Amino acid sequence: EADIYQTPRYLVIGTGKKITLECSQTMGHDKMYWYQQDPGMELHLIHYSYGVNSTEKGDLSSESTVSRIRTEHFPLTLESARPSHTSQYLCASSVRYSLTNEKLFFGSGTQLSVL
Amino acid sequence: TQLLEQSPQFLSIQEGENLTVYCNSSSVFSSLQWYRQEPGEGPVLLVTVVTGGEVKKLKRLTFQFGDARKDSSLHITAAQPGDTGLYLCAGVIQGAQKLVFGQGTRLTINP
Repeated sequence: EADIYQTPRYLVIGTGKKITLECSQTMGHDKMYWYQQDPGMELHLIHYSYGVNSTEKGDLSSESTVSRIRTEHFPLTLESARPSHTSQYLCASSVRYSLTNEKLFFGSGTQLSVL
Repeated sequence: TQLLEQSPQFLSIQEGENLTVYCNSSSVFSSLQWYRQEPGEGPVLLVTVVTGGEVKKLKRLTFQFGDARKDSSLHITAAQPGDTGLYLCAGVIQGAQKLVFGQGTRLTINP
């Protein structure tokens, strides 16, 4: 059972609002990720972190920003939400067994709708 | 360009039938994983395969990694409604450390 939590589960907001999606894990994992997933589409990596004070942009360009001040916490912020940001946002942490074998643990996701 | 192509994208079958879904690429992968995602939840890892030709079984699910490490398949025997979900393959391209995901196969098992 993965101990990674995302809040809120669902969020409906108006255009222009600032929002923060929360993600916390209690497994002590150094590496954490944010993915964006649209219906019927693959997961797109938008941000990742190797540990405290480390943040990197992923493959998919995103207007969101992230921070990693504590190992267990990896919040994602949108300064000014737009309808194009409507999507499912999934947070994950991982443990690496070898150079090519990494297990990801996902949260339940935040379904964001921007009106 | 999709690095991992999954087929079919949608599959709806009756309980008790067998099925196979596929994950294909033109790239060689160091390892390949299969995840299952249920509605309203995040993906959960089912299996990791790392050796060409490797076969792993998880109860009624059989996973195979192609000999050339460019493709994988998931076979489900006697499908049950509890198998319903989105099945995602994900792999690490040889020489890289990044995990890439396919677009998924949405499987529905009808009682």
